[in-house]
Amino acid sequence: DAGVTQSPTHLIKTRGQQVTLRCSPKSGHDTVSWYQQALGQGPQFIFQYYEEEERQRGNFPDRFSGHQFPNYSSELNVNALLLGDSALYLCASSFGQAPTEAFFGQGTRLTVV
Amino acid sequence: QKEVEQDPGPLSVPEGAIVSLNCTYSNSAFQYFMWYRQYSRKGPELLMYTYSSGNKEDGRFTAQVDKSSKYISLFIRDSQPSDSATYLCAMRIKAAGNKLTFGGGTRVLVKP
Repeated sequence: DAGVTQSPTHLIKTRGQQVTLRCSPKSGHDTVSWYQQALGQGPQFIFQYYEEEERQRGNFPDRFSGHQFPNYSSELNVNALLLGDSALYLCASSFGQAPTEAFFGQGTRLTVV
Repeated sequence: QKEVEQDPGPLSVPEGAIVSLNCTYSNSAFQYFMWYRQYSRKGPELLMYTYSSGNKEDGRFTAQVDKSSKYISLFIRDSQPSDSATYLCAMRIKAAGNKLTFGGGTRVLVKP
């Protein structure tokens, strides 16, 4: 049973560029959440997708946007990259809207130079 | 003040010792409590998931929740060098769906 998979593993971008990160949820899961983890800190909630709609959003600017596809996979897009966007981006999947166990992928490490 | 506070460590213990980790929180609405283990440059791995107050045991791991004190703990018995990692506590409010609020993590080093 494949767990949560994310791609790419590492990415280097230049300030001002745009980036797209991808996530495939664990088999049987239909809800995807994205988190940003800066070095030495805990993950911060960006947003959650369920039934192809953004259901919740954390304190992140509109430069951060996402999408969920009919097969439950998801993308995170970040526009106009800043140096401060450098972080590990984590995708977590779970089942349904009610609180359940959330499983994380290995993350995408984004470096903005 | 952060909603969830966690001592960053590092916490260094000899192999075989009991590792004691804890988090405090300010929002009494938190109902679900989790502990994750994160190895360097990897994603968090779910260790324990508990609802409301009480204890839960799973192998060498014991999680405790004291909602009256807004305090949760994780104990690791017979610690091994492979337990060396960062341990993250996380919490959620039922009405907030699957949004997790994390502590900053405690780095643990188990020395052989």
